[in-house]
Amino acid sequence: AQKVTQAQTEISVVEKEDVTLDCVYETRDTTYYLFWYKQPPSGELVFLIRRNSFDEQNEISGRYSWNFQKSTSSFNFTITASQVVDSAVYFCALEHGSSNTGKLIFGQGTTLQVKP
Amino acid sequence: DADVTQTPRNRITKTGKRIMLECSQTKGHDRMYWYRQDPGLGLRLIYYSFDVKDINKGEISDGYSVSRQAQAKFSLSLESAIPNQTALYFCATSDGTVGNTIYFGEGSWLTVV
Repeated sequence: AQKVTQAQTEISVVEKEDVTLDCVYETRDTTYYLFWYKQPPSGELVFLIRRNSFDEQNEISGRYSWNFQKSTSSFNFTITASQVVDSAVYFCALEHGSSNTGKLIFGQGTTLQVKP
Repeated sequence: DADVTQTPRNRITKTGKRIMLECSQTKGHDRMYWYRQDPGLGLRLIYYSFDVKDINKGEISDGYSVSRQAQAKFSLSLESAIPNQTALYFCATSDGTVGNTIYFGEGSWLTVV
């Protein structure tokens, strides 16, 4: 079965704190893709990152970093020095079936609130 | 202008009414998708289309139908809306090539009363 679990429903931090959003996935596929999307209060989905199963290098983009560990089936997302504008719902997703189908399995989402 | 445009952005409709959500894209992608978002459940796939002649059911297609009128247009219909179809609906596109990104529209809020 294909599944994505984001165990943290809501997280609240104070501005400038670091925060990590957890994502654990299940798949029998050897080739798969993992995504993170941000959904600000306005409702749109903003693409953050796409990672394939053969690339376990961690990625950093500004204050954002991602830790992909196949051994634990996790793809965690860290925001360093959080800001109020980071307040949003964050979704982790898995592209299942054959590669590049665009059929995504989403986690339940983690609501991040960054307080000033 | 947005690459993936959804209309209407907000709609309130009554139980039993037919409602259509429309999606158009300017990215020239062959693949289009309709997802539904419910609180605490993330997004779930309703239907997807890999080209104009290809329509496939997703995870939760019951109560919905779709039409791919052209490469750029993919509409979702609720033939007889019911209150538990109240949700945020997203259209998405991708070109299907290696490394492709899936682009989402801005969402359509549908309330069935």
